[in-house]
Order: sequence, then C-alpha cells, then structure tokens
Amino acid sequence: GDSVTQMEGPVTLSEEAFLTINCTYTATGYPSLFWYVQYPGEGLQLLLKATKADDKGSNKGFEATYRKETTSFHLEKGSVQVSDSAVYFCALMGEDDKIIFGKGTRLHILP
Amino acid sequence: GAGVSQSPRYKVAKRGQDVALRCDPISGHVSLFWYQQALGQGPEFLTYFQNEAQLDKSGLPSDRFFAERPEGSVSTLKIQRTQQEDSAVYLCASSPPGGLSGYTFGSGTRLTVV
Repeated sequence: GDSVTQMEGPVTLSEEAFLTINCTYTATGYPSLFWYVQYPGEGLQLLLKATKADDKGSNKGFEATYRKETTSFHLEKGSVQVSDSAVYFCALMGEDDKIIFGKGTRLHILP
Repeated sequence: GAGVSQSPRYKVAKRGQDVALRCDPISGHVSLFWYQQALGQGPEFLTYFQNEAQLDKSGLPSDRFFAERPEGSVSTLKIQRTQQEDSAVYLCASSPPGGLSGYTFGSGTRLTVV
C-alpha cells in the first residue's frame, strides 16, 4: 500500500541555518503531496502542497518540490527561526482521497 | 464555524468505560476523516465519510470502535470498553469535494485510559 518515509528526528539547528527534512513516498498512480506542521500545543496545519510532478509548493519561506523520478518531496528552508520549532509531517493523498502521514520529524531551533 | 471543532478537548476514562468523541466539521465540507495519533507518531487513518456515507472504515482497530455521521454534518467516534492502548489523540479533519486543498484538522481530543 501507499506509504511515506521521512527522516527521523529530532533535528537541532541554530537560528539562520539551512534546513532539509527528507521525505520519500511509495504510491500507485499520481498522489498529491503535502507537508503539515504541528506547533507545540496546537493542531495540524497544512504548510504546503504539490499536486503533480515538478510542482513546487512554498509557504512561510519553506519549499518542497515534487520529484517523481526519485519519489521524493524534501522540505527546505534557507534560514530557520526559533519560531519554526515544531513537528513536521510529510504526507500523500492517493486516488482514494485518504491522506497517509509519515511519522513526523521534530525540529528544534536554538537561538 | 470557521474551523473544525472537536470536543471534549481532554477525556480521562477508566478502563472498560465507553466514550464518545464529537467532531463539528467546517460548514459545507462533505468529506470528514478520523485519525488516531499515538504519542510521538504520525496520525493513522481510522475512517472516512462522504456526507452521511461511511466510505472507508478500514483503519478502525477493532469492533470496539464505531463512527457515525447521521445527517452528513456532525460526526461521533465511539469507543466501547476502552483499553489502555486506546490512549491517543483523536483527530478529525474535513475537506471540500476533491480534497486537493488538503484537509483542515481540528485540535483533537486527547484520550487517556487509566
């Protein structure tokens, strides 16, 4: 069945560092891909999405490109802030409209 | 309302007790999903409704779990004879038709079975 694999955390970076969180997927057909974020004490929020190959999703300085050839959707940000500390989930939505999540990556940003 | 509303926010149940968790989706959203999120894990799919029809319940872990959405709006997730392994955050999400905009999640109900 469909699945998502993302790098395990926690990831600890200093403020203004470059961030990459790797995500790969397995799916039949052409899924839509998402990154969700969960800030401490809050619910899941959609961060960005891409619906077809080579699409780039972007929001709040974060970017991810849908790479069909490598079945990847890596999350990047050029300069992280303390306020980016959260848990990040990579996810896919298959043809059955069901979203499958990765296990999440906890990010800590140090001032 | 403006978002997906879940109640109660927290629930402590004694082992063997029945619980009912409520979800109020965004008005007009036909699709409604329930997920279970154990501590330190990603959300796991439980069940999916389109209007009042339950289209997929393949993720319900046992026959103690039951979900309904009788009028195609509010949904209730019921867990009978709760066990300690049921302790988790239960998330509800809704989406408009197609779902390509992604789901909107509620804040969840944290269930602790003691």
